[in-house]
Amino acid sequence: QSVLTQPPSASGTPGQRISISCSGDFANIAANSVTWYQQLPGTAPRLLIYSNDQRPSGVADRFSGSKSGTSASLAISGLQSEDEADYYCAAWDDNLHGPVFGGGTKLTVL
Amino acid sequence: QVQMMQSGGGVAQPGTSLRVSCVGSGFNFNKYAMHWVRQAPGKGLEWVAVISYDGRNKFYGDSVEGRLTISRDNSKNELNLQMNSLRPDDTAVYYCARDRAGYSSAFDIWGQGIPVTVSS
Repeated sequence: QSVLTQPPSASGTPGQRISISCSGDFANIAANSVTWYQQLPGTAPRLLIYSNDQRPSGVADRFSGSKSGTSASLAISGLQSEDEADYYCAAWDDNLHGPVFGGGTKLTVL
Repeated sequence: QVQMMQSGGGVAQPGTSLRVSCVGSGFNFNKYAMHWVRQAPGKGLEWVAVISYDGRNKFYGDSVEGRLTISRDNSKNELNLQMNSLRPDDTAVYYCARDRAGYSSAFDIWGQGIPVTVSS
């Protein structure tokens, strides 16, 4: 059982906007920055969003992040077939003295 | 080119030991905290351990504390994970990752991943 809670699956059609939620508590999301990763099949995770809403260079501005209290969300606009992947949220946990991950959300582009 | 190349891993019997390593290049390795993250087959990401930029501070996930040891040799840009008393539930792909901001959850550079299988 993961410390952070994500829906196991999400789906959308090309061009659509979708959102993936991530729920935690006061020791992790509320107290620290949220990170989002994209993992394509058979590859290492890729940093997508850090510090709640910042994109590393090279990440399309179709990806955006937000945080409020003990929850965070990742939004993807203008959905494309290449966005089909697993998405993970993460945050440092002050009680566990380490980062915790969500269980992952498998995004399907219909 | 900023990258981390992993080596080691393989198949081991329960109760034995294995070592995985990672070499960083294209950046100042000795300025970054480094992590190990693992992913069991068909499962999500699990944080394993972190080591400070100078190797003085180390923290571990509850499931590996006392059995897995993280270390680094900044003279060789090398990060290591020594795995002792291996259990079948240690079977996973192990990734090394660079922390972009001290101790955080934001890992901006990842190794390619190395599979470790623990089975009799």
